[in-house]
Amino acid sequence: GENVEQHPSTLSVQEGDSAVIKCTYSDSASNYFPWYKQELGKRPQLIIDIRSNVGEKKDQRIAVTLNKTAKHFSLHITETQPEDSAVYFCAARGPINSGGSNYKLTFGKGTLLTVNP
Amino acid sequence: DSGVTQTPKHLITATGQRVTLRCSPRSGDLSVYWYQQSLDQGLQFLIQYYNGEERAKGNILERFSAQQFPDLHSELNLSSLELGDSALYFCASSVGAPDTEAFFGQGTRLTVV
Repeated sequence: GENVEQHPSTLSVQEGDSAVIKCTYSDSASNYFPWYKQELGKRPQLIIDIRSNVGEKKDQRIAVTLNKTAKHFSLHITETQPEDSAVYFCAARGPINSGGSNYKLTFGKGTLLTVNP
Repeated sequence: DSGVTQTPKHLITATGQRVTLRCSPRSGDLSVYWYQQSLDQGLQFLIQYYNGEERAKGNILERFSAQQFPDLHSELNLSSLELGDSALYFCASSVGAPDTEAFFGQGTRLTVV
């Protein structure tokens, strides 16, 4: 099955700096890669996603890049602000079984981002 | 508000007991997913239902079971509870297509004492 590795597990940056979180996945059949932000005690919320036919996507200060050949994707946050502090999860959606039509979303273990004022 | 409703928000129970967690998906969403989140394991996929039928199974213990009813709400049943079952249990829903966003509920925090 799919395996998603996420690094780093913790990241501390100064306000205004950029933050980069990287994920790798194992199943080349995975075709959808969302990123979720989870604030303490709250539910994960989608912040950006990318599909396998796209190499890069940007939404204001957030961007995601995907390298299908290398099977890795990254989240980039520019001009970080204290309210960006949270746990960020990457995920990959791929088939349960080879050639199957049933999919599941596999999450990385998360990155605790702290933005210091 | 994501539109996904989970009840109860908090649950404290003793080892060996059985509990039922409930999830109401967003209006129009056919897929429901259950995840377990503990401190050292991140978000672990448990099980997925689509329009009443089990679609995919993840790392779900045999002591756990789930179902999705005709009105599309879902229940996760946890039995013979152990201390290690203490975690946040999230339900998420989506329209069902493989590359569509999953919306999470607020979660149920289960504490087994």
